[in-house]
Amino acid sequence: AQSVTQPDIHITVSEGASLELRCNYSYGATPYLFWYVQSPGQGLQLLLKYFSGDTLVQGIKGFEAEFKRSQSSFNLRKPSVHWSDAAEYFCAVGAQLTGGGNKLTFGTGTQLKVEL
Amino acid sequence: NAGVTQTPKFQVLKTGQSMTLQCAQDMNHEYMSWYRQDPGMGLRLIHYSVGAGITDQGEVPNGYNVSRSTTEDFPLRLLSAAPSQTSVYFCASRYRSSGTHYEQYFGPGTRLTVT
Repeated sequence: AQSVTQPDIHITVSEGASLELRCNYSYGATPYLFWYVQSPGQGLQLLLKYFSGDTLVQGIKGFEAEFKRSQSSFNLRKPSVHWSDAAEYFCAVGAQLTGGGNKLTFGTGTQLKVEL
Repeated sequence: NAGVTQTPKFQVLKTGQSMTLQCAQDMNHEYMSWYRQDPGMGLRLIHYSVGAGITDQGEVPNGYNVSRSTTEDFPLRLLSAAPSQTSVYFCASRYRSSGTHYEQYFGPGTRLTVT
């Protein structure tokens, strides 16, 4: 069964500083990997996704993530954080279900606080 | 289009009461699913549907029923609410075809409290 670990529950960075959120996954086949962001009281918005090909993927809002198969990691990065980036971030791995459905297994999330 | 919509946004139930959480999407997505979000546990899959008339269980289905009579709607029913079902519930949908593998679109959520 697949699993996702986000080792950092909370992270605080200063506005303008760089950011890296860690994500490690466990999956027996080629993973489909995602990063979602959730602002307070809101649903989840897809930041970026990896299916195959280039291991560095670009997403919305200036985020990028790098897939490293050897480390089973898919860390999210942003070179300069904005105050509006304060939110909770979820890493997820996708898997096909018997019967044709699909399931996203989520990590427990990293809460990002941005200091002005 | 409105995307994925959920009603109500908030609900308080007493133990043993029943209710239905509504989910609708206007993107003609074949796949729909329900997740619950609990602190420190991420999102967990409750039930999912690959098309009208077809549903299946996820990893935490106990205490919940679903049906899919139309492509657009996927209601989640709590027959006898329990405090353990206090959570935030998210509905999600996606296309069946490849090219947008597993990219799911999420609704805004329903915050349910069972006392």
